[in-house]
Amino acid sequence: KNQVEQSPQSLIILEGKNCTLQCNYTVSPFSNLRWYKQDTGRGPVSLTIMTFSENTKSNGRYTATLDADTKQSSLHITASQLSDSASYICVVSVYGVGGANSKLTFGKGITLSVRP
Amino acid sequence: DGGITQSPKYLFRKEGQNVTLSCEQNLNHDAMYWYRQDPGQGLRLIYYSQIVNDFQKGDIAEGYSVSREKKESFPLTVTSAQKNPTAFYLCASSGTGLGDGYTFGSGTRLTVV
Repeated sequence: KNQVEQSPQSLIILEGKNCTLQCNYTVSPFSNLRWYKQDTGRGPVSLTIMTFSENTKSNGRYTATLDADTKQSSLHITASQLSDSASYICVVSVYGVGGANSKLTFGKGITLSVRP
Repeated sequence: DGGITQSPKYLFRKEGQNVTLSCEQNLNHDAMYWYRQDPGQGLRLIYYSQIVNDFQKGDIAEGYSVSREKKESFPLTVTSAQKNPTAFYLCASSGTGLGDGYTFGSGTRLTVV
């Protein structure tokens, strides 16, 4: 069964500190992995998309890594800001199944709280 | 600006009532999707459509219905057969290429009263 597991479930850090969020997946065959940021009561917003051949991708203070061999990804947030407080969702896509985006597997999300 | 719009933002349903959630996009995306989000759970796919006049059931389609008469619009009806409809509903759209990302709407929170 395709699964995406994220850890920790929740995290509290002080403003200005760095943090790393983890994502492990058992989806196969793998197509791509995405990280989304979701503010409370809003829709998710894409941070990064990585395919099999990409190891690292950055978007401002967000850097995602992918190890396709161990089926692990991480999202590193540098110099955190209060506006980083949100849920971060890892999403993995299965290759070639019923249309490119029809078989996404979502993690449950990691709730990050940045305190002043 | 191109985007995807969901309405209303909040919706209240009485027991036994059908309600329809609106989703409109002007991104010229072929594919559209409806997801349900419950606290502590990942998003679950209700229905998706990759082309006008065609749609497929997702993992939790029971108690829901959709239509895709126009490329820009993909409304979701929550019927009285859905026994636990209180949730946050998200609409998304995308191109159909392998590397195409999703664009999500801002969501509709449905509450049964």
